[in-house]
Formats: sequence, structure tokens, C-alpha cells
Amino acid sequence: GAVVSQHPSRVICKSGTSVKIECRSLDFQATTMFWYRQFPKQSLMLMATSNEGSKATYEQGVEKDKFLINHASLTLSTLTVTSAHPEDSSFYICSASAPGNNYGYTFGSGTRLTVV
Amino acid sequence: DAKTTQPTSMDCAEGRAANLPCNHSTISGNEYVYWYRQIHSQGPQYIIHGLKNNETNEMASLIITEDRKSSTLILPHATLRDTAVYYCIVRVRNNAGNMLTFGGGTRLMVKP
Repeated sequence: GAVVSQHPSRVICKSGTSVKIECRSLDFQATTMFWYRQFPKQSLMLMATSNEGSKATYEQGVEKDKFLINHASLTLSTLTVTSAHPEDSSFYICSASAPGNNYGYTFGSGTRLTVV
Repeated sequence: DAKTTQPTSMDCAEGRAANLPCNHSTISGNEYVYWYRQIHSQGPQYIIHGLKNNETNEMASLIITEDRKSSTLILPHATLRDTAVYYCIVRVRNNAGNMLTFGGGTRLMVKP
């Protein structure tokens, strides 16, 4: 079945630094990838939709200059949290979709970001 | 995509069947019902999906009412490892541009 690899699984960074999270589709081409954020005891909230070769579409309230998304190939999307602050600490999850993927969407294992 | 309503939490005894309901009264004719679950600190995992017929796979069964306004996910013999948050989502299948919208889900606690 379709597999999405996400790493790192957890990262601790200092306030003001940037962190890059990678999301790879291992056995299929992902024309569209989605980035979600999840705070403790809450549901997943969509941050942005990433389309290969074009600019990402951000949800209302998500700062595009802070959460940089790059989807340069059909198998890789990256999310960079720039100038991270403690309030950016969260669980970030990517999801990939491709035409013909019978499961609809496949999710990465998530990245636990802690900003200190 | 149609909105879904699920109970906030449920308990189930280990070895018993877990029946998780979902209401989706505004579902459209071309929308499928998808179920995912999320075990603590992991990404969501696909369980099953269906359009109008009941479906069964190695993980679960999906029962969809004839009017398609509600469905039930059945875990036939729940184990402790089935403790997770279960999300019911309705959406058009194979529309790669549409995101999945997550509601609150049902927190299933399987107890020994």
C-alpha cells in the first residue's frame, strides 16, 4: 500500500531558530500533499495544501512566511517552521494523495516539535 | 464535504465488539464514508471506506444505512491496541485536490 515517510519524528529547537520537516511518498507519486497541525487533545487542523510545482495554499490564519512549504517533486514536500517560538510547539503531520490511491489519503507518522 | 457527528468518547471491553456510530445526514450522492483512527502520537491510519454497500476488511466492518445518513464502524473483537481516536469523514473519492476535514472523532477506550 501507499507509504508516506515523515521525519524527523521529534525535534527540539531553540526559540528563534528554523526547523525543516520532510514528507516523502515512498511508492507512489503525490501530486498533492497536505500539512496538518495538532495541539494536545485536539483534532487535526489543516495548515496548507501543497501542489507539486506550484505555490502552496494556506488556510486562513496560517502565516505563509512563517510556515514555508516546498513541493519540488512528486515525492517530496517540506515544511519549514521559521523563527520558531514556544507557541509553535505542536504535532505536525503530512498527508499525501494521488489519483487512483484507493485509500484516499495516506498519513506520515508525524513530527513532535518542541520549541524551548 | 459533508459534516459528521460522532460521540466524544466510548468504552469497550477487551474481546467485545466495538460499534462506533457516525451521523452524516447531509452526505451527497458522490461522497464516500471514510474511517481513520489515530493512536496516541501517531499519524492517522486508514481503516475502511464505503459508498453505500456494507464493507468488510481485515480490520473492521462498515455498515451504512440505506439512506446513507449514518454509518457504524465495527471492530469485531476489540483489543487494547485498538484504543485510539476514530474519525469518520465523508468526501468525494479520488479528488486529489480536496483535503480531509477532521472533526472531533470518538475516543475509544478498550478496557481489560
